[in-house]
Amino acid sequence: GAGVSQSPSNKVTEKGKDVELRCDPISGHTALYWYRQSLGQGLEFLIYFQGNSAPDKSGLPSDRFSAERTGGSVSTLTIQRTQQEDSAVYLCASSLEKLFFGSGTQLSVL
Amino acid sequence: SQQGEEDPQALSIQEGENATMNCSYKTSINNLQWYRQNSGRGLVHLILIRSNEREKHSGRLRVTLDTSKKSSSLLITASRAADTASYFCATDKAGGFKTIFGAGTRLFVKA
Repeated sequence: GAGVSQSPSNKVTEKGKDVELRCDPISGHTALYWYRQSLGQGLEFLIYFQGNSAPDKSGLPSDRFSAERTGGSVSTLTIQRTQQEDSAVYLCASSLEKLFFGSGTQLSVL
Repeated sequence: SQQGEEDPQALSIQEGENATMNCSYKTSINNLQWYRQNSGRGLVHLILIRSNEREKHSGRLRVTLDTSKKSSSLLITASRAADTASYFCATDKAGGFKTIFGAGTRLFVKA
């Protein structure tokens, strides 16, 4: 596709369940970012990939959060044992220099 | 912690007026970018200004950068109701790779 694609668009889960969020970046973009945004707030940096490696994981809130990227393309963000405070919009962006964002995944933990 | 901080947090103006938003940051940067967000989902890139540039224009947008003060401003001239959105500055730290966003300015343009 022409843009960054994220799936699912919306995810409702129960507290304690694991969730997996997917990001398909623009073809050829080497850098990939994950951000989290709570309602009315700014973007919280989570993790950054250059190719398949993650030189900066400093933003991951806890060890329940992990992310991987394979083939320099698709990335998945996994949240284990979800908590209510994990509820937010999770945004993915890919770039060569400026960032191109997907539409995000709205995660709701009940 | 956030690298960029925008002010004001919120701005309400009449259509046709100019809107000015400011951004301050903490460390040396490679470049500074401004993004726009409608309805709390994906952001759209507006303009990028490099650390060796002082001013840049794109349509009704004018961005300035003062590296000595570690600050930038975004001016939207002749605003329209369709400009209503949240605006974020983002910086690429010098020597680093990640792009860090500020908390944003919520602009409301009244028709």
